[in-house]
Amino acid sequence: VQLLQSGGGLVQPGMSLRLSCVASGFTFDDYAMHWVRQAPGKGLEWVSSISWGGANVDYADSVRGRFTISRDNANKSLYLQMNSLRPEDMAFYYCVKGSSSGWYVHFDRWGQGTLVTVSS
Amino acid sequence: EIVLTQSPDFQSVTPKEKVTITCRASQNIGTALHWYQQKPDQPPKVLIKSASQSISGDPSKFTGSGSGTDFTLTINSLEPEDVASYFCHQSSILPFTFGPGTKVDIK
Repeated sequence: VQLLQSGGGLVQPGMSLRLSCVASGFTFDDYAMHWVRQAPGKGLEWVSSISWGGANVDYADSVRGRFTISRDNANKSLYLQMNSLRPEDMAFYYCVKGSSSGWYVHFDRWGQGTLVTVSS
Repeated sequence: EIVLTQSPDFQSVTPKEKVTITCRASQNIGTALHWYQQKPDQPPKVLIKSASQSISGDPSKFTGSGSGTDFTLTINSLEPEDVASYFCHQSSILPFTFGPGTKVDIK
């Protein structure tokens, strides 16, 4: 199982960024997927989840209305579109595989993380 | 939102000593509580799922217990490779939440 992330970087406040995650080693469309972030030296914060088929999504209140999670099962890819970025969004963002098609389970694989820096 | 409180924040122990970390939930979450280990510059890795089911390679090394609001992670016979931060996570109710973490070090 591998989750290969890309798309992080430095952006100015108010700008946008899109994170990508390409999965391998498992049947991608059998599993819900998630994004979790971690500010440098801080704890973990759940950001968003998407069902196996993409029909159901949810977000943390801190990002709702600004971030959009999506997936492309044909290409085994997970995305996080981040708009109107704020300094408090600066963090390592992890692409995370749920342990089943359901959401209410543990997270059994994590990507390597990608750093998003929001600064002018 | 369910708040998870961990204690202690930091623990420094001698090799082979046992470490006990507690996680308390602000409301009943049954056994929807999981434990992760995060070593420096690495992503988290799940150790225990559903409060007490070991996923790590050596089930006698990491043991979990508890239900409802009070949970415990025990690290038996601490070794240098166990130096890490340990987080609890609840998947009972959205938004999913994590404890603030416990940093474990060796004296």
